[in-house]
Amino acid sequence: DAGVIQSPRHEVTEMGQEVTLRCKPISGHDYLFWYRQTMMRGLELLIYFNNNVPIDDSGMPEDRFSAKMPNASFSTLKIQPSEPRDSAVYFCASSYMDGNTEAFFGQGTRLTVV
Amino acid sequence: GQNIDQPTEMTATEGAIVQINCTYQTSGFNGLFWYQQHAGEAPTFLSYNVLDGLEEKGRFSSFLSRSKGYSYLLLKELQMKDSASYLCAVRVYSGAGSYQLTFGKGTKLSVIP
Repeated sequence: DAGVIQSPRHEVTEMGQEVTLRCKPISGHDYLFWYRQTMMRGLELLIYFNNNVPIDDSGMPEDRFSAKMPNASFSTLKIQPSEPRDSAVYFCASSYMDGNTEAFFGQGTRLTVV
Repeated sequence: GQNIDQPTEMTATEGAIVQINCTYQTSGFNGLFWYQQHAGEAPTFLSYNVLDGLEEKGRFSSFLSRSKGYSYLLLKELQMKDSASYLCAVRVYSGAGSYQLTFGKGTKLSVIP
């Protein structure tokens, strides 16, 4: 397996524009997590899915953020409209969440909103 | 919610030993993970503890005390390449058969010659 795949790796957009981040989890993993990382807040859990169903989205900062997982091999995180304070690295991770199985991270999407 | 605390930064000398502490307050505890993250890269898994005690893995060891809500990561024979952030993460059972993984803010370790 190629691991967790995120796209794009880098995104620069203007304030007010819609941004869509994409993630392909490792095949067979039943959990998918979206995290946001900044220097100030560290790695924050935004939302996670179990078997494609959103379980907890309490970490989503505002209604401007939404996430979907239409099938087991694809998820999106959308920000509409984007603001400069959304600038961060967004990571997707997947796991079995069973026993000592760790979560595997994608390479992240570095988002800059100007 | 979960509260996970780690020191923000630490500095240690090449060849020495360093201990990075992590304390947590949570309900539904189901395991503690340590991850390493080099600048500009994704976090990668280092160790896992679910029972009290020490888990050793080469130069890295991790300890857990569930009653104290405390863990540490011990790095021996430090190398320059160990300069990175070390993230403590707690897995909790969130109900309805689901689990959640929450991270501390990480400890930035600088290894100096």
